[in-house]
Amino acid sequence: GAGVSQSPRYKVAKRGQDVALRCDPISGHVSLFWYQQALGQGPEFLTYFQNEAQLDKSGLPSDRFFAERPEGSVSTLKIQRTQQEDSAVYLCASSSKTTGGGRDEQFFGPGTRLTVL
Amino acid sequence: AQKITQTQPGMFVQEKEAVTLDCTYDTSDQSYGLFWYKQPSSGEMIFLIYQGSYDEQNATEGRYSLNFQKARKSANLVISASQLGDSAMYFCAMREVPGRRALTFGSGTRLQVQP
Repeated sequence: GAGVSQSPRYKVAKRGQDVALRCDPISGHVSLFWYQQALGQGPEFLTYFQNEAQLDKSGLPSDRFFAERPEGSVSTLKIQRTQQEDSAVYLCASSSKTTGGGRDEQFFGPGTRLTVL
Repeated sequence: AQKITQTQPGMFVQEKEAVTLDCTYDTSDQSYGLFWYKQPSSGEMIFLIYQGSYDEQNATEGRYSLNFQKARKSANLVISASQLGDSAMYFCAMREVPGRRALTFGSGTRLQVQP
């Protein structure tokens, strides 16, 4: 079956523009995660959904970042008024589990590389 | 303070040899999970191995094994019989609180396998 897919794979935005990044999780996976990976660093957690409910948004860096998953499948990460420091790879991951604990494996997509000029 | 520390920015290994990638972690929780992921140049994070804090035996998955030393708070990844396709970034990650799903990653180690 298909893995996690993300689109676009690459996005160039001018500073101040709004962007929307899409994530299609593995079919049937109820949990969905967004991470931000700056150049040369490990991924950093942004937010987590279980079905359509956003259960943890503690990692969102500012109110310019907004994520949604209205029907419990596809998710969109929106960044308003982009700034240069938003340049990073945005990774989406999904999991079949509904709770943490044990081998709570997250399956990652290829990421969207955002460059803000 | 760093939760996950990977002190080796880069490592070289000869094909068919074993290599150990270091990871130390910091947590006050008794229950936590440790993960290793591989990130090739394509960008996708690939799960390799998992170790639970209460697991008595070191985890193994094919050529991957985890040298878990709880008292030292270390969870080193051992790759046996390295292959050219093992060249990639490797990230150690931790999930601290079972109810919180977020993974905390280290800064990674770039492994290059030489023929």
